[in-house]
Amino acid sequence: GQNIDQPTEMTATEGAIVQINCTYQTSGFNGLFWYQQHAGEAPTFLSYNVLDGLEEKGRFSSFLSRSKGYSYLLLKELQMKDSASYLCAAMDSNYQLIWGAGTKLIIKP
Amino acid sequence: GAVVSQHPSWVICKSGTSVKIECRSLDFQATTMFWYRQFPKQSLMLMATSNEGSKATYEQGVEKDKFLINHASLTLSTLTVTSAHPEDSSFYICSARDPSGGETDTQYFGPGTRLTVL
Repeated sequence: GQNIDQPTEMTATEGAIVQINCTYQTSGFNGLFWYQQHAGEAPTFLSYNVLDGLEEKGRFSSFLSRSKGYSYLLLKELQMKDSASYLCAAMDSNYQLIWGAGTKLIIKP
Repeated sequence: GAVVSQHPSWVICKSGTSVKIECRSLDFQATTMFWYRQFPKQSLMLMATSNEGSKATYEQGVEKDKFLINHASLTLSTLTVTSAHPEDSSFYICSARDPSGGETDTQYFGPGTRLTVL
């Protein structure tokens, strides 16, 4: 079956770095997405990886290893506004997104 | 770019009534739109995939006669919750695929509609 695993909750300190991991198993693979979702709001797109390696975009970076079925989202210089849920989603061979349950990130001062 | 709007933002209705939610892609043409439902503290659940000019494809367990989807143009899809009941209360989110993204095929989300059925 198809499955996405990511931690349920993580806590980090303002100004620090945090890495949110995601492992996936899908029927075929057409890319890995990360979305940010603040409570009560719709998700917003953060990143897309389809090739192995690290994609850096400001304070956020995303990494993909297709052979390991693994991705991570790296957040640097954490700010209080980064407190949110981070959703990992893999696109299968039918171009359908398979969603993880999300990782709730709590930032403490 | 790639802005998706959704209307209304929130709606409260009585049990048994129907509610229509609109999803619009504002600056691109979306041949495919998606409708999701999200219950509190749970992940997004895909309800259906809507392709312009054709019938929507519903996920298993989603009643197509209860959740009517119409994708009449390249910028508008509507979801109508018919004969709503309290268990239909949820956060409904649409997304649209921007075909100009090439291989990225990113979905952009509307702001969501919070439905409360009394």
